[in-house]
Amino acid sequence: ETGVTQTPRHLVMGMTNKKSLKCEQHLGHNAMYWYKQSAKKPLELMFVYNFKEQTENNSVPSRFSPECPNSSHLFLHLHTLQPEDSALYLCASSQERQGLSYEQYFGPGTRLTVT
Amino acid sequence: SQQGEEDPQALSIQEGENATMNCSYKTSINNLQWYRQNSGRGLVHLILIRSNEREKHSGRLRVTLDTSKKSSSLLITASRAADTASYFCATAGQTGANNLFFGTGTRLTVIP
Repeated sequence: ETGVTQTPRHLVMGMTNKKSLKCEQHLGHNAMYWYKQSAKKPLELMFVYNFKEQTENNSVPSRFSPECPNSSHLFLHLHTLQPEDSALYLCASSQERQGLSYEQYFGPGTRLTVT
Repeated sequence: SQQGEEDPQALSIQEGENATMNCSYKTSINNLQWYRQNSGRGLVHLILIRSNEREKHSGRLRVTLDTSKKSSSLLITASRAADTASYFCATAGQTGANNLFFGTGTRLTVIP
């Protein structure tokens, strides 16, 4: 266990559904991240939150909507997804110091399939 | 691109042999990190090497960094079947953003 949990672990949704992914970190970290991992592609950073403020949005389509209500919880709200959005969605957290990146702790991921 | 690129893409070795994976990158970095991922799971941090370090050890892992060549290597000694996984390098820029840039990984298979 890395101290980062994600639910659900698997999700199948239709293109017209609305669903949410949840991430919780128990490490007292001040930064949280959403990544998308597709087959044979590098891990894609989607969103970054520092101290609950979004500091990065990597040109992600608006059908993905993040929410960070506090420094321990991160959500990814999904609506009207496309089949190409099927992937493993990973949440991570880290303790950022002086704006520099150190080790990140990942959750087990949510395997999303869009039908 | 700031992303690291691992080489080889896939590596298959016998148990007990050493495994070496390489990573190249293109921009200046503050640190470089190696992660491991078992199939369909989250990534696990293995080791971090700072830009002013040349070599670092952790158990059976040895990481080197050559900033002049913008490259790093991960050596796993005396491999075990349980080392079978994908290994990724990730680079952290010097300042301004706490982002990591990952490569596509090396898939290591250790045959018992």
